[in-house]
Amino acid sequence: GQQVMQIPQYQHVQEGEDFTTYCNSSTTLSNIQWYKQRPGGHPVFLIQLVKSGEVKKQKRLTFQFGEAKKNSSLHITATQTTDVGTYFCAGPYLSSGSARQLTFGSGTQLTVLP
Amino acid sequence: DGGITQSPKYLFRKEGQNVTLSCEQNLNHDAMYWYRQDPGQGLRLIYYSQIVNDFQKGDIAEGYSVSREKKESFPLTVTSAQKNPTAFYLCASSNSYYGYTFGSGTRLTVV
Repeated sequence: GQQVMQIPQYQHVQEGEDFTTYCNSSTTLSNIQWYKQRPGGHPVFLIQLVKSGEVKKQKRLTFQFGEAKKNSSLHITATQTTDVGTYFCAGPYLSSGSARQLTFGSGTQLTVLP
Repeated sequence: DGGITQSPKYLFRKEGQNVTLSCEQNLNHDAMYWYRQDPGQGLRLIYYSQIVNDFQKGDIAEGYSVSREKKESFPLTVTSAQKNPTAFYLCASSNSYYGYTFGSGTRLTVV
């Protein structure tokens, strides 16, 4: 079953409003990654968090990794139309193969209304 | 510029036909991956390869096959055994868990 849950699935905001997406894992993660996929495009790596309680910022984007390393969040301050897209979290899990591979959450699709 | 090239961008498959999706990278990455994306869903792992001449099944490998004869290339064949192949297929590569690089994808449609 799905090991990474993301909420909300969809979010519509007015330009200038803030936005947050949450990611929850069924197990403790060694790290968590975030990706952005523009409409019609491919996922692009944004950031990786490794340490418990870690907070990283990229301009208007703030990423947090929970103390228990089972949840994470992405917060965008004062959204712009360029923020439109789907944001995915991903963590390494043991797949049906022999090694841990990235498993992606279902994503949060952000729409920014001008 | 280094990157991953997927071709074709769009592909149409008839019932019962095998098709092969190309993925080539010039990033000198050891590991390569194939993911499938359906509307409203995340990415699901089909196959991955960590070194040349070796590959492993992912979570949804049934109806797919791959090869890894060269470090740069990791083609995916969608066989007639895959009952619902219409999807967006993404190839990725990495040298570690840090930051997968994705290709621009192939949209496969069954006609």
